[in-house]
Amino acid sequence: GESVGLHLPTLSVQEGDNSIINCAYSNSASDYFIWYKQESGKGPQFIIDIRSNMDKRQGQRVTVLLNKTVKHLSLQIAATQPGDSAVYFCAENRGGSARQLTFGSGTQLTVLP
Amino acid sequence: NAGVTQTPKFRVLKTGQSMTLLCAQDMNHEYMYWYRQDPGMGLRLIHYSVGEGTTAKGEVPDGYNVSRLKKQNFLLGLESAAPSQTSVYFCASSSLAGRYEQFFGPGTRLTVL
Repeated sequence: GESVGLHLPTLSVQEGDNSIINCAYSNSASDYFIWYKQESGKGPQFIIDIRSNMDKRQGQRVTVLLNKTVKHLSLQIAATQPGDSAVYFCAENRGGSARQLTFGSGTQLTVLP
Repeated sequence: NAGVTQTPKFRVLKTGQSMTLLCAQDMNHEYMYWYRQDPGMGLRLIHYSVGEGTTAKGEVPDGYNVSRLKKQNFLLGLESAAPSQTSVYFCASSSLAGRYEQFFGPGTRLTVL
């Protein structure tokens, strides 16, 4: 079946470096994508979103890139900080009712001192 | 605003016992969702609601029932708990307008012995 997936389950980066977290999706009908951050023991928290009619969107220290040709999504975090250590999920809307989101399995980002 | 709240935060059940998880949101959102999250996995949708008095099945509805008698509340019930239902349960809500962002509660950690 179709699914949202991540290339790497874990990622370690040095504090101050840039982080890139990748996500592959397989449903070409998906028109909306979100990145969530989940800290240990907490619920997911919205980071940034992008619609399928865009290929790039920037927020504060974060950028999401969408490549519809290869069905790939990435989250770039600039100048990674210890507080960025968390699990990051991509999620897609496949057009279902109630704005349903399908979540990937997540990438654990660890920021090294 | 409290956002999305969930009660209880933790619960231990014996196989066969029943319980109800309560979710409340104060953002006047139309859509509400129940997810489960198992170790190393993303969130899987159990049931969702598009409005007061309406519910629908998600990806993994078996063994669960839901009710939405008031717009601000969404209840998840386990009639006869099984060890396979040991998980962390998250509630979320979303507006029908604007961004597709779902706002998540802090989660309920349920253990079924």
